[in-house]
Parts: sequence; structure tokens; C-alpha cells
Amino acid sequence: SAVISQKPSRDICQRGTSLTIQCQVDSQVTMMFWYRQQPGQSLTLIATANQGSEATYESGFVIDKFPISRPNLTFSTLTVSNMSPEDSSIYLCSVELWDRDPPYNEQFFGPGTRLTVL
Amino acid sequence: AQKVTQAQTEISVVEKEDVTLDCVYETRDTTYYLFWYKQPPSGELVFLIRRNSFDEQNEISGRYSWNFQKSTSSFNFTITASQVVDSAVYFCALSEAGTQGAQKLVFGQGTRLTINP
Repeated sequence: SAVISQKPSRDICQRGTSLTIQCQVDSQVTMMFWYRQQPGQSLTLIATANQGSEATYESGFVIDKFPISRPNLTFSTLTVSNMSPEDSSIYLCSVELWDRDPPYNEQFFGPGTRLTVL
Repeated sequence: AQKVTQAQTEISVVEKEDVTLDCVYETRDTTYYLFWYKQPPSGELVFLIRRNSFDEQNEISGRYSWNFQKSTSSFNFTITASQVVDSAVYFCALSEAGTQGAQKLVFGQGTRLTINP
């Protein structure tokens, strides 16, 4: 299994500012994922962060708005830039643990960062 | 493209009733994984089960059971003798298996389950 921590757990920010969210995993993982969950909605993948390469962004998400760093195999950050009230969401990081033999895959999620933008 | 549909937006039952949450998925791949997660009011996502596309055996874990049917592309979740603590939003999710293991998860819209005492 994997234990994931996120900082901050919640924050209230002013419009136009930026917030960096940290995600720390207790084991080395290849891929880390960042999801957004808007109020009352499902989870949507923002980007996939592979250590040593640029993050891959999903349609509708751009690097200028959500820059991601992945400096090592246990850590990643997501920055929400130039925030507006529409960015108010829960942001979750997740990791996958997998193996081929026997086939195994699990995705673990951090506790989330609850962001409110005024 | 992958898609997960949870047609039931909200379900409300009385404690001790059985309840089934529906999940229908679409994918072109022959190898994929299906998941169920629970999100209680506190907000964290709790992993419940993973099933790979080659394993159609139904699974039971205590009061929880899952029915996977590839013929109908469904992966339904049943709670037997529901309890108030089961109240949460439940998400079904689909992931395709890639060369480096499974990739991103595509989530359904979630079903908000309320168990009334």
C-alpha cells in the first residue's frame, strides 16, 4: 500500500493569487496523478506527473494555469495560478502501485486539499 | 473514449435495507481495471475494490458485494443490511492497462447514498 500526505489540507485564498499544493508519498512511485473535484462533482484528472519528464495534461488543463513539479519519486507539487472563484475545489493527488506477475494495480489517493477562492 | 455512467444520482433507503449501486462502463480495450471508491463527508477517497477485466468472478466482502458482467459492461455494487455509516458518495471508475501498468482513472458522476435510521 501507499500512504499519501498533502499540504495544506485546506486554504482560503484571494482571487489572483497562487497556491502550491504538496504531495508526499511514503514509497517510490513512477507516476503521480493530480485530480480536481469541483463542489458536488466527480473527479477529473488534471495531469499525470512522471518523474524526470514534463507532466502530461488532460484536455482543458494547461501548464500555465496548473504547473506541476516532480523532483523525485516520492514528491510532487501542483500550483493553481492566478486563482478565481471557479478554482474552488478539492485537489487530490494519487499514485498507482502495480506489478505484472501476478497482475496487480491499485490507485491510492491523498486526503485532498480543499481550496476556496474568494 | 472511456466512459463511466452511474445513472443513480442519489439513493435514500432506510437502515437495514439492501441497496445496489449501478455502474456501466465503455471502453475499447480488452484489458482494463474497474474500481469502486467511497467518499464520506470528510472528503477522503476510500478504496473499496479493484477488478481486472479478465476476472468476472463476483466478490463478497462482509456486507459488500460486487457483480461484474462483461456482457452488459456493468460493475454493480450491493450493500446488504445497510447502516448509517454507509452514507457517502460512491464512485465507480475505469482504468485502462498500459505498458507501464494502469493509467489514469475515469470516474463516474458518483451516487450519493443516504441511509436513514
